[in-house]
Amino acid sequence: AQRVTQPEKLLSVFKGAPVELKCNYSYSGSPELFWYVQYSRQRLQLLLRHISRESIKGFTADLNKGETSFHLKKPFAQEEDSAMYYCALSGSGGSYIPTFGRGTSLIVHP
Amino acid sequence: ETGVTQSPTHLIKTRGQQVTLRCSSQSGHNTVSWYQQALGQGPQFIFQYYREEENGRGNFPPRFSGLQFPNYSSELNVNALELDDSALYLCASRNDRFGAEAFFGQGTRLTVV
Repeated sequence: AQRVTQPEKLLSVFKGAPVELKCNYSYSGSPELFWYVQYSRQRLQLLLRHISRESIKGFTADLNKGETSFHLKKPFAQEEDSAMYYCALSGSGGSYIPTFGRGTSLIVHP
Repeated sequence: ETGVTQSPTHLIKTRGQQVTLRCSSQSGHNTVSWYQQALGQGPQFIFQYYREEENGRGNFPPRFSGLQFPNYSSELNVNALELDDSALYLCASRNDRFGAEAFFGQGTRLTVV
């Protein structure tokens, strides 16, 4: 069975501080990992996926297979980063049926 | 603007009733998925349709069923509604040629009383 754990329900930081949103997963094969974001009053949207190895809005995430983690990081948080962040996992093979974590609410204070 | 729209935005139903939720996918997207999101939880996968055939299903009972139509629209039907079915229902569409990026609708908030 595949499972995604986001241990923090809420993360509160000040503008300019580093941010790390934690995500741990359980999957027996080679997973694909994603981060989705939902800004206030907006719909859920894909932020980044591990195979792209890209930085989006200053956020990066590295897949650590040894620790089964896919933490989302940003060196300097901005107020506009305040949102709900969901980590998601899907199995390999192209079906892209994701399992989502419960989400972490990030609040960036001025 | 993603082009995925859901209707209605809010709905109140009585326990035991049946409900149909609708989703209009982005043009050209041949895959649509439906999710249930309870308060304080992440979206839970219900099922996925590819070219009008169900090709994946989550841990939901048969009273949750769906349809996908050639015009990129789809439906989620729930029979014999239970109080626990109260949730936000999301649909997401994508074109399988372009991989995993799915575009979500704004959701339908279903309340069962």
